[in-house]
Amino acid sequence: AQSVTQLDSQVPVFEEAPVELRCNYSSSVSVYLFWYVQYPNQGLQLLLKYLSGSTLVKGINGFEAEFNKSQTSFHLRKPSVHISDTAEYFCAVSHNTNAGKSTFGDGTTLTVKP
Amino acid sequence: DAGVIQSPRHEVTEMGQEVTLRCKPISGHNSLFWYRQTMMRGLELLIYFNNNVPIDDSGMPEDRFSAKMPNASFSTLKIQPSEPRDSAVYFCASRPNYGNEQFFGPGTRLTVL
Repeated sequence: AQSVTQLDSQVPVFEEAPVELRCNYSSSVSVYLFWYVQYPNQGLQLLLKYLSGSTLVKGINGFEAEFNKSQTSFHLRKPSVHISDTAEYFCAVSHNTNAGKSTFGDGTTLTVKP
Repeated sequence: DAGVIQSPRHEVTEMGQEVTLRCKPISGHNSLFWYRQTMMRGLELLIYFNNNVPIDDSGMPEDRFSAKMPNASFSTLKIQPSEPRDSAVYFCASRPNYGNEQFFGPGTRLTVL
């Protein structure tokens, strides 16, 4: 079984400030890790993913995440946020098999204030 | 590519009526997922298919819900009879067989009065 915990349900920040959205997972086997973003009234879209290799993963819109196996974490970061980054962010984990399903966290609402 | 297509985008119906939601996955993707999203329960996986075969339907709330995938390019989620607590946004997502990321449709907002 696998599970995902997003440690913050809401994160308010000011524009141009750095931000970190935290995600911890648990799994008994090797995993793939994902961050998705959901803008209002839209479906989820992939921000970045970790499958293997370098533990620092870069995604779209200037976001990056670091896979930390010892701490079972996959925190999302951005050095300087924009108003347009206001959205809900979901961390997800799946077993490293193409037939499996993903388990999603409860989401973190990022609100960027001017 | 048009992405995952869902119809209708909005559905308003009365309690007791049958509701059918439709999904066309991205061509070539061999896995399809149905999710439900509400404020109270967040994003829930209802069912997923691999090569048109249902693999895990443990998230289907009750017998009023059913899903089919008659071919690789079409899936339906049916609720019969519908109840007000079924009001939610229903998402369909598909995934290619060579990767593990899911591609989500725009969702169907269902309101049951």
